[in-house]
Amino acid sequence: DTGVSQDPRHKITKRGQNVTFRCDPISEHNRLYWYRQTLGQGPEFLTYFQNEAQLEKSRLLSDRFSAERPKGSFSTLEIQRTEQGDSAMYLCASSTDRGYTRDTQYFGPGTRLTVL
Amino acid sequence: GQNIDQPTEMTATEGAIVQINCTYQTSGFNGLFWYQQHAGEAPTFLSYNVLDGLEEKGRFSSFLSRSKGYSYLLLKELQMKDSASYLCAPRASKIIFGSGTRLSIRP
Repeated sequence: DTGVSQDPRHKITKRGQNVTFRCDPISEHNRLYWYRQTLGQGPEFLTYFQNEAQLEKSRLLSDRFSAERPKGSFSTLEIQRTEQGDSAMYLCASSTDRGYTRDTQYFGPGTRLTVL
Repeated sequence: GQNIDQPTEMTATEGAIVQINCTYQTSGFNGLFWYQQHAGEAPTFLSYNVLDGLEEKGRFSSFLSRSKGYSYLLLKELQMKDSASYLCAPRASKIIFGSGTRLSIRP
């Protein structure tokens, strides 16, 4: 399977704990996106990487959230001091800026976070 | 500002045709995507329109009118597996997702 993968698929944590999620994009894709989705809503943009550079970060993203893509391949999203309001599905997507499918984002299965 | 408007819910009958409308207002425009999302799963790509007109792909077609800020997704020969949410997603500097239309198919 050469699609986008995410790990873990589910995470239950207590309020105040830190959590880290991983995303492995499609191998030839140079762009990587993180989204958050809550029930009944569409995906909400969090941040975007082109290769290893973080080019955009949502103003809605608090300082407790940080993302990295150190080698331009996989990415991690860390949430520090989790709050119950952080409970959501965290989606990763990747795309390429070349070829016929350029700019089409392909999503991973998501990580469902529950903060107790 | 940026705004995407699509119906919250729709119901249709197996074998029939349904049209899901989307109107949008964005700061800049670089095409419009439609995604399908089954409950508890990630969105999957359906179509991308950058020019005005109809793009047909099997049972699914997508239409765009840039001057009207309007798109629709047309689903033909509906099957039970088409029960899902359909997300309209225009792209300005980045893709912006609407809240989606939850489509229920009845036998």
